[in-house]
Amino acid sequence: GAVVSQHPSWVICKSGTSVKIECRSLDFQATTMFWYRQFPKQSLMLMATSNEGSKATYEQGVEKDKFLINHASLTLSTLTVTSAHPEDSSFYICSARGGGNGNTIYFGEGSWLTVV
Amino acid sequence: GQQVMQIPQYQHVQEGEDFTTYCNSSTTLSNIQWYKQRPGGHPVFLIQLVKSGEVKKQKRLTFQFGEAKKNSSLHITATQTTDVGTYFCAPTNQAGTALIFGKGTTLSVSS
Repeated sequence: GAVVSQHPSWVICKSGTSVKIECRSLDFQATTMFWYRQFPKQSLMLMATSNEGSKATYEQGVEKDKFLINHASLTLSTLTVTSAHPEDSSFYICSARGGGNGNTIYFGEGSWLTVV
Repeated sequence: GQQVMQIPQYQHVQEGEDFTTYCNSSTTLSNIQWYKQRPGGHPVFLIQLVKSGEVKKQKRLTFQFGEAKKNSSLHITATQTTDVGTYFCAPTNQAGTALIFGKGTTLSVSS
């Protein structure tokens, strides 16, 4: 089946630094990728929708200058958390639309970010 | 924004008992997907429902989509410890571009 890979799985960074998370569709082309954020024991909150070759569409309340999303190819999207603060610590999950019928959405394994 | 209400938030059952989680929307949904997330894991796709009144079964899991396409349910028959996790319903947003997740129902099963 379709596989979406995220890297890194775990990252710890210092306050004020930037962190990049990669999301790759390994065996299919994903024209659309999605970035979610999940706090412990809470639901997934959609942050932005990323379309290959165009600017990401951010959900209301998500700072686009803080969460930079790039979707430069059909198999790779990146999320960069800039000037990270402890409150940015969370589980970030990407998903990609594609695969056999082109409509199924597959999730990556997620990335745990801890800002100290 | 578009929201779905999912109940209950938590459910504990004895192994062998049945379990049901419900997802309700105030607006008509074009489709709805269900996902399972194990503790520490990522959401795993279970099913997609599209048609009014649709019922789909996967072994002990039964998924229903309401006639008005405003609610959906997931029923597990004779739960097993492997069923532990959080079950999310996720309809497509009004623009049809992304999934919006409910708050989920966390199931725990004791043997």
